[in-house]
Amino acid sequence: GAVVSQHPSWVICKSGTSVKIECRSLDFQATTMFWYRQFPKQSLMLMATSNEGSKATYEQGVEKDKFLINHASLTLSTLTVTSAHPEDSSFYICTTGVERDYTSGANVLTFGAGSRLTVL
Amino acid sequence: QKEVEQDPGPLSVPEGAIVSLNCTYSNSAFQYFMWYRQYSRKGPELLMYTYSSGNKEDGRFTAQVDKSSKYISLFIRDSQPSDSATYLCAMRTSGSRLTFGEGTQLTVNP
Repeated sequence: GAVVSQHPSWVICKSGTSVKIECRSLDFQATTMFWYRQFPKQSLMLMATSNEGSKATYEQGVEKDKFLINHASLTLSTLTVTSAHPEDSSFYICTTGVERDYTSGANVLTFGAGSRLTVL
Repeated sequence: QKEVEQDPGPLSVPEGAIVSLNCTYSNSAFQYFMWYRQYSRKGPELLMYTYSSGNKEDGRFTAQVDKSSKYISLFIRDSQPSDSATYLCAMRTSGSRLTFGEGTQLTVNP
């Protein structure tokens, strides 16, 4: 089935540095990737939608200059948190636009395992 | 008002109990309804996927969708300690973008 590999799973960085998170689709071509952020004990909030070969679409309130998304190939999308601050500490999760229902054969979204960012 | 409302819990039950998890929503355009299970510090994994109204059963799990009431439920029978996790409802229109509930934290005590 569809597998999404997300790396790193956990990263700690100093305030002011930049961190890159990668999301790879291992056995299929993902033309669309969704990036979510999840704060402790809160739900997943959509940050942006990236489409291969074009600019990402950001949700309201998400700074596009701070959260740089690149989707240069059909198997790789990256999220770079620039000049990270402690308030950016969160769990970042990517998911594909590919869907596969495990019972009917229809498609469902596949999530990466998530990347936990801690900014000191 | 949030598009999707879910009681965050926490919910604590004894092993073997029947668990009922619920979400309400306001967007009548939602057509696809999902329940995800998320263990601590892991990405969500799909449990149930339902299109439109009706029931769907898979082993100990039953998903119900009532579009007229804008209400969905997940029932877990014979709950096990391994079911302890956060359960997220999610839904979408015809597009791929998901809207999630806050998640309900469930603990099944042995």
